[in-house]
Amino acid sequence: ETGVTQTPRHLVMGMTNKKSLKCEQHLGHNAMYWYKQSAKKPLELMFVYSLEERVENNSVPSRFSPECPNSSHLFLHLHTLQPEDSALYLCASSPTGDFYGYTFGSGTRLTVV
Amino acid sequence: DQQVKQNSPSLSVQEGRISILNCDYTNSMFDYFLWYKKYPAEGPTFLISISSIKDKNEDGRFTVFLNKSAKHLSLHIVPSQPGDSAVYFCAASENSQGGSEKLVFGKGTKLTVNP
Repeated sequence: ETGVTQTPRHLVMGMTNKKSLKCEQHLGHNAMYWYKQSAKKPLELMFVYSLEERVENNSVPSRFSPECPNSSHLFLHLHTLQPEDSALYLCASSPTGDFYGYTFGSGTRLTVV
Repeated sequence: DQQVKQNSPSLSVQEGRISILNCDYTNSMFDYFLWYKKYPAEGPTFLISISSIKDKNEDGRFTVFLNKSAKHLSLHIVPSQPGDSAVYFCAASENSQGGSEKLVFGKGTKLTVNP
């Protein structure tokens, strides 16, 4: 266990479903991130929250909606996804200004059918 | 366009030999570089890093070399062990503003160390 917990580990959803991915950290970090890892592609940064405020949205489609209710929790709400959205979704957290503390969760393997 | 490139998707070496994983970058504003290791069904874990003011950083069997003029870095593992078999990601960052550390990743190189 790395200190960043993601649930569920695996998710299969239809294109008309609505689901949410959850990320939780109790490391005292102030920044949280969502990354997407597709096959044969680099890890892509999706969203960044620093001190619970969204500081970056890397042109992610609106069918992905993040929520950061507090510094320990991060959600990714999913609706009307496409099969090409199937990927490994990784959450990470970091103390501000410290790369050494950048910690990833184990990811949620999402399959859209 | 990819700012961080790992052009070798896979590498296979014999146990005990040296593994060399390469990474190139295009953004001259990057000033901090990291290597992450990822096992199947786990998230990436930090391995070693180097700041742009250095050209070498060593930690046990792992050494990272940075050639700023060539915009190239490499990770050397010696001696390689079967437990080193994993996907290795190169990542880079600019001196960030606003308190969040945004990393740009390469596609990864899958290392297999054969007994």
